[in-house]
This record gives sequence, structure tokens and C-alpha cells, in this order.
Amino acid sequence: DSGVTQTPKHLITATGQRVTLRCSPRSGDLSVYWYQQSLDQGLQFLIQYYNGEERAKGNILERFSAQQFPDLHSELNLSSLELGDSALYFCASSAQGTGYYEQYFGPGTRLTVT
Amino acid sequence: ILNVEQSPQSLHVQEGDSTNFTCSFPSSNFYALHWYRWETAKSPEALFVMTLNGDEKKKGRISATLNTKEGYSYLYIKGSQPEDSATYLCAFTNSGYALNFGKGTSLLVTP
Repeated sequence: DSGVTQTPKHLITATGQRVTLRCSPRSGDLSVYWYQQSLDQGLQFLIQYYNGEERAKGNILERFSAQQFPDLHSELNLSSLELGDSALYFCASSAQGTGYYEQYFGPGTRLTVT
Repeated sequence: ILNVEQSPQSLHVQEGDSTNFTCSFPSSNFYALHWYRWETAKSPEALFVMTLNGDEKKKGRISATLNTKEGYSYLYIKGSQPEDSATYLCAFTNSGYALNFGKGTSLLVTP
């Protein structure tokens, strides 16, 4: 158990809908990262937050947005969902916001868009 | 997006064999190189974070080396056990923020 929690574990929804994925980092960790893993793809970095502020952005679609709250939990919002958004979404946390620190991954949320 | 290549894509060894895999990454503007172990139905778990050219790290039977000048890292497993079966991911960052992951090497160790 990494100490990172993600809810829900599974989500099935229809195209065009909007969903929110939730992540609570390990106690004491200030940085949260979101990753997407689609079929046959490696882990793709989406976005990073550090202590409530956006720190880095990767291949995140405009239909997706995220935020980190004062209690350091984070939410990833996915809207106007398409079939291709079906994937495993991971949240990870680290003590600080730089690449010198290992990341601790949550169990993931599997999103299925039908 | 920075290209991180891992080879081989998959590997099947017998219990007791030693094995190694390679991670290649851009050699310019190096910041850090991470190795993660990902077992089926679980989430990735950090093995090593390597930051200096020539770094060597070890955890039990697993060790890793780093060459930032030529852009590669090796992961070694000595005396493989069935519980070592997993996908081994490497990830590179040149900014200190976003990690760029390779697709991993899938290792199967049979008794």
C-alpha cells in the first residue's frame, strides 16, 4: 500500500458525459501527478500540481482539467468524454515537486466510456 | 515528449538466472532517471531514482547503473525468482518535473 488513495476504482459512463476522478496523496506529500495509460501505450504524463499550484503540463487534452485543493487532495475532471478516453488513470504523489523524488502511485481508476 | 526506449520488450527466464534490461533516453539536459516495478493488478512501485552520471544503486538482488553522457541505464536482477515477474519501467526527466516513461520490459520468471 503506497498510501495514495484514488476513487472510484472503476467508472463506466457514456460518450459526452463528464466525470471526476479523486486522489488523496500520501501524508506529507506536496506534489500530485496524473497519468493516463491507454491500451498499448506507456504511462502518459498529464499534469502535476505542487502545493495547490499547477507545476507542469503534459499531454492533457483541453477537455480535461485538474486542481489541487488546500488539503492537497486533487481532482481530475474529464468532460465531453469520447471512446478513446477509456483508460487507466493513475495519480501519484511525491514529497516535493522535482524529479529527484520517487513517486508513489495510487491503485488507479479504470474509466470505460461506452 | 521525450523518447524513452526500453529493451527488450519482454523477457522469459528460468528461476536462478540473472538478467538485465536497458533504458535509453536523450543524453542532453539530464535531470533524473527513475526505475519502477509494476506487478500485474497493482500500481507501479519505485525502485531507484538516479541523478548522477556513474550512479550505481542496489536494492537486494536488483541493481541499476546510469550513464548520462551516452543516455542509457541498465537494470540487473541477480538470481531471478518467480516473484520478480513484473513489468519494469524507466522514466526520464530533463525538467525536473514531468516524467517520460518508456513502455517497459515485461519479465516472466518460471520455476
